[in-house]
Amino acid sequence: NAGVTQTPKFQVLKTGQSMTLQCAQDMNHNSMYWYRQDPGMGLRLIYYSASEGTTDKGEVPNGYNVSRLNKREFSLRLESAAPSQTSVYFCASSAQAGISTEAFFGQGTRLTVV
Amino acid sequence: KNEVEQSPQNLTAQEGEFITINCSYSVGISALHWLQQHPGGGIVSLFMLSSGKKKHGRLIATINIQEKHSSLHITASHPRDSAVYICAVRSNTGNQFYFGTGTSLTVIP
Repeated sequence: NAGVTQTPKFQVLKTGQSMTLQCAQDMNHNSMYWYRQDPGMGLRLIYYSASEGTTDKGEVPNGYNVSRLNKREFSLRLESAAPSQTSVYFCASSAQAGISTEAFFGQGTRLTVV
Repeated sequence: KNEVEQSPQNLTAQEGEFITINCSYSVGISALHWLQQHPGGGIVSLFMLSSGKKKHGRLIATINIQEKHSSLHITASHPRDSAVYICAVRSNTGNQFYFGTGTSLTVIP
């Protein structure tokens, strides 16, 4: 029962480097989300995909891009990493957007940008 | 401004104590979630509720829609309950989640 799988679990980048965080869910969910979690600020939504083929900006999208590759996978890309992007990143999924369904979270990716 | 406020921010309890964590929100919601984040960082969804009360083992979650308030109760607390508990609401006007900053619970044997 994998649920939501994120890779990698840890990553250290130099300023200016690029990387892609991968997320896959095996629950046939329509909606997927990327969040970042910073101390004292709670979780903040970066981007979301309400359904396959659609993506929308969340609260803090600057510096990120996303791709909903298929129904299972939703990747988050940092084109030019900055120290302000040091954070823990969580991917989540839910069956439907705008409907009261439970959200399932990945284990998180701890990213440090030096 | 924060759409979701939790209290307390930190809580230390003796094993066996009854614990209450509170969540107040200011937006219209379609659902409220209680999440548990373990020291290792993973997040687990404990409850999703839109009215009334739910119980799972020693955990009880209640919500009062009129007062825009929810509580998470832990009966007979145990050291393994030590974690950060996060309240999250799904807006009823779109696909947005709003999160509280979490309550860090430590249960001492």
